[in-house]
Amino acid sequence: NAGVTQTPKFQVLKTGQSMTLQCAQDMNHEYMSWYRQDPGMGLRLIHYSVGAGITDQGEVPNGYNVSRSTTEDFPLRLLSAAPSQTSVYFCASGTGGSYNEQFFGPGTRLTVL
Amino acid sequence: AQKVTQAQTEISVVEKEDVTLDCVYETRDTTYYLFWYKQPPSGELVFLIRRNSFDEQNEISGRYSWNFQKSTSSFNFTITASQVVDSAVYFCALSVISGVGQGFSFIFGKGTRLLVKP
Repeated sequence: NAGVTQTPKFQVLKTGQSMTLQCAQDMNHEYMSWYRQDPGMGLRLIHYSVGAGITDQGEVPNGYNVSRSTTEDFPLRLLSAAPSQTSVYFCASGTGGSYNEQFFGPGTRLTVL
Repeated sequence: AQKVTQAQTEISVVEKEDVTLDCVYETRDTTYYLFWYKQPPSGELVFLIRRNSFDEQNEISGRYSWNFQKSTSSFNFTITASQVVDSAVYFCALSVISGVGQGFSFIFGKGTRLLVKP
């Protein structure tokens, strides 16, 4: 199993550009989520999904869109990148429920100029 | 509202010392789960332990031990005889049911950076 994979590993955008961060998991997990990690801020939940077709907002959803058309994939879209979105983004998956550990991907480092 | 506080921003110890990382949480929910994750310099996040709100038993795993006390809303993590390889950022996290249907919130503390010197 590859676990949770994220692409790209690094990305530089200009303000206003759009892009999609990809996340895939091969563990048949129902639950997937996106976090951003900023220095001194820990990880903050952006969006999550409890299954295909079901998504909900986390703590910091503004500026990001998600959709979940398959169990395996959970892309994160930045519609109009802003410098405040410069961060490291982590995707995670789990078997569902608040009681389960989450398996994290390796992260995507995004810089918005 | 849920909150996780890791008051220690950075801790520096010499190898073989014992070190305790503090975690204090806030929630009004009676059912919740607590986690510790490790983030080594390579950047990945590694799951260490999960504890539910109904289980206050302490746990030991090798050199790692966890002390969960509901009375003080704390879930502290102790590394015994620390090693250089323990150098990492450690995150405490709280999970409760929220949102629509089966959704939930997963709240991380800001992390404690542990530096173990040889």
